[in-house]
Amino acid sequence: NAGVTQTPKFRVLKTGQSMTLLCAQDMNHEYMYWYRQDPGMGLRLIHYSVGEGTTAKGEVPDGYNVSRLKKQNFLLGLESAAPSQTSVYFCASSYQGLRQPQHFGDGTRLSIL
Amino acid sequence: KQEVTQIPAALSVPEGENLVLNCSFTDSAIYNLQWFRQDPGKGLTSLLLIQSSQREQTSGRLNASLDKSSGRSTLYIAASQPGDSATYLCAVSRSGNTPLVFGKGTRLSVIA
Repeated sequence: NAGVTQTPKFRVLKTGQSMTLLCAQDMNHEYMYWYRQDPGMGLRLIHYSVGEGTTAKGEVPDGYNVSRLKKQNFLLGLESAAPSQTSVYFCASSYQGLRQPQHFGDGTRLSIL
Repeated sequence: KQEVTQIPAALSVPEGENLVLNCSFTDSAIYNLQWFRQDPGKGLTSLLLIQSSQREQTSGRLNASLDKSSGRSTLYIAASQPGDSATYLCAVSRSGNTPLVFGKGTRLSVIA
């Protein structure tokens, strides 16, 4: 019973490099979300998905892309990493949008040098 | 634009004390409000979810209230314990399909 699993847990990148963060959930949830958490800014939504094959922009989508090819997986991509993208990234999922609580992973700590 | 404010930013109390955490929001047209707990280096854990039609929700030593008209919610923790030390965040949504807007949290320390 893993819940929401994020891979990797830590990563250091150089400016301009690309990478993909993976989120996997085993609860058969329809909705999945990617947030970033920065000191003094709180949690902000990057992108979200309301079902397999769908994605939508959140509050801070610029510089990120996402894909939801399988219901259980939600991928967050950084095409050309910038220092401003240094953050802790959280994935979450829920069964019926916001009618039910979101379940969060433990986060990916990403540093861009 | 919805804004969520949590005061105080940090709170330290002795073990056994009852305490209240505050959350205020600027737009009263909300769908629901959620309270989360975040331990250091971990993700968020949902504590309580209050639908807009509800006034309060309870779980164990936790009680959350909602006053939509005044744009306020409180999280009451009874008989606090050191294990309650964490950051508590509230978040609101405008509808069942619009994203949550989070406050910045209150960092609680319960001293044994």
